[in-house]
Amino acid sequence: QLHLQESGPGLVKPSETVSLTCTVSGGSISSSSYYWGWIRQPPGKGLEWIGTNYYSGRTYYNPSLTSRVTVSVDTPKNQLSLKLTSVTAADTAVYYCAGGYTFDYWGQGTLVTVSS
Amino acid sequence: QSVLTQPPSASGTPGQRVTISCSGSISNFGSNSVNWYQQLPGTAPKLLIYNSHQRPSGVPDRFSGSKSGTSASLAISGLQSEDEADYYCATWSDSLSAYVFGTGTKVTVL
Repeated sequence: QLHLQESGPGLVKPSETVSLTCTVSGGSISSSSYYWGWIRQPPGKGLEWIGTNYYSGRTYYNPSLTSRVTVSVDTPKNQLSLKLTSVTAADTAVYYCAGGYTFDYWGQGTLVTVSS
Repeated sequence: QSVLTQPPSASGTPGQRVTISCSGSISNFGSNSVNWYQQLPGTAPKLLIYNSHQRPSGVPDRFSGSKSGTSASLAISGLQSEDEADYYCATWSDSLSAYVFGTGTKVTVL
């Protein structure tokens, strides 16, 4: 059973870059056929897919975020990371990492607030 | 704005059957299967149905999914109080090259 845990700053200033890390335990992030991604949820709103890194190495991003987002996998550390640049208040959300064949496994989420 | 449309709310009394729809377009659903996620209050989403109709281990058989053409549905039979949650459909959109979530449906047990 995989366990995912997000970590990162809770508060970020507008225009800055937010970097989040997801540590995977109970299995290898390089498991064949698995893919890993980030999803966010603004307060009181629905789920928004951010991006996914496939086991093949290819990465896909939400078209609305592609110019500002990078999702990458650090195999030796068994970690998934997210980098989102030029943040605004609209980026305030709970950020989840998820993985598996169909996002079978989710982290508990970490709240990122964008405020000066 | 999501390309998968769900009703904002659904409700039923304990024991009743509730159905949630998820409508898209051929460019979204196409030949791709649909997944459903359940999000209990204050918790992370949980995979409920994958490949349109399959249940992960541990998910009660009260939950069932189906897909036909450009729409999908989730049915909850024998509704229980612990089923009160938000439910989201999701699929890979070939036209957007993106994973898209539905707008979400809040299920209330009366």
